[in-house]
Formats: sequence, C-alpha cells, structure tokens
Amino acid sequence: AQKVTQAQTEISVVEKEDVTLDCVYETRDTTYYLFWYKQPPSGELVFLIRRNSFDEQNEISGRYSWNFQKSTSSFNFTITASQVVDSAVYFCALIVNTNAGKSTFGDGTTLTVKP
Amino acid sequence: NAGVTQTPKFRVLKTGQSMTLLCAQDMNHEYMYWYRQDPGMGLRLIHYSVGEGTTAKGEVPDGYNVSRLKKQNFLLGLESAAPSQTSVYFCASSYDGSNQPQHFGDGTRLSIL
Repeated sequence: AQKVTQAQTEISVVEKEDVTLDCVYETRDTTYYLFWYKQPPSGELVFLIRRNSFDEQNEISGRYSWNFQKSTSSFNFTITASQVVDSAVYFCALIVNTNAGKSTFGDGTTLTVKP
Repeated sequence: NAGVTQTPKFRVLKTGQSMTLLCAQDMNHEYMYWYRQDPGMGLRLIHYSVGEGTTAKGEVPDGYNVSRLKKQNFLLGLESAAPSQTSVYFCASSYDGSNQPQHFGDGTRLSIL
C-alpha cells in the first residue's frame, strides 16, 4: 500500500520569508511518480511539478524549488521569498507504476503568507 | 480551451435523493477520476477509469456508482444520498495514469441535508 504524509497541517509566514513544505512517501515499488499540486483559495487544483523515481535531480523554477531524496523518501517543496499570492493548500501525491491510475494524496499543507 | 468541465458546480440534496455528477474532458485522455475532498483532508479517490467502458474502485467507493460510456465523459452517481456524502467533488483526467499529471475540474460542492 502507498502512503503520503504531509506532517505540517498549517504554516504561517511573513512575506519574503522562505518556507519549506515537507512530503514523505511510502511505497515498495521501485518505479513511481511524485507530484505537487496547489489549491488556491478559489478552489481549483493546479499542477506544479512531477518527478519520477529515477530522477533525483533537484529542480528550481523561479522562486519554487523541489528536493527529492530517495534515501529519506522525501520530496520537499521550498518557496523562496514568499508572496501573499503563494497562500494556498499544497498537496503532494504519489502514483506507482504497477497501479497506474490510483493516486494517493497527502492531506495537504495550508500555507498562509501574511503581508 | 475547456479542459475538464464539471456539472453542476453546486447542488443541495435531501437525504435519500439521487443525482448524477457529470465530468467532461476534451483532451482525449484515457484516464479519468472522481475524488472527494473533505475539510482538513486530502483528495480521496472514489472511482476511476482507465479507458472507455472501464471503471474501477478507489479508496472510498461505497455509496457511489460510475459509468464511462464515452471516452470524454465520466459520470458519478449517488443512488441514495446521505449527509456523510456532503463534500466537494473533483473530477480529473490524465493521459497515461502515471507519468503525466492529472488535470482537474473546478469541483462540485454538494450538500446533503
């Protein structure tokens, strides 16, 4: 069985602070895919990034960066110089190749960025 | 450029009533999903489909039925609505079910009184 844990239920920061959202996953499969999605207050879900189990390269996209470490089964998300528009619920998700279609989501981390 | 469209966006039902939620995608995706999102919880998979004419149970399938008669449409039915089914329902689709991200609709807010 697969599991995704986002231990931080809520995080509150002041604008321009850096913030890291943690994601820890569990799977016995060797081929799997990890995703981060953003859900702003308007409610829609927006895809941010995908990473497969064979690619441990970190990724940076503007103020966003992701740190994938198989040794600790973690796929953490860092926002640098946070902005009020970053306020949202962020979800980490896992899909294993042997069970294509069945995605497992974490419970989400609510990030509030105060001006 | 519609993507994934959910109908309706809001609905209030009485206990015991039935209804169908419609999800339509125009991206020719094979995989489609229905999730529910409850306060403080992530998305829980209700049912999904790996292609036209197929359906499979997800994590929380009880009380729901689905059909995928056409590739572009995935219907979620509540046969006898219960207050525990009050939730926000999201439909999603993806190209290959694993490597590609899911594209989500805007959600349907359903209240069962």
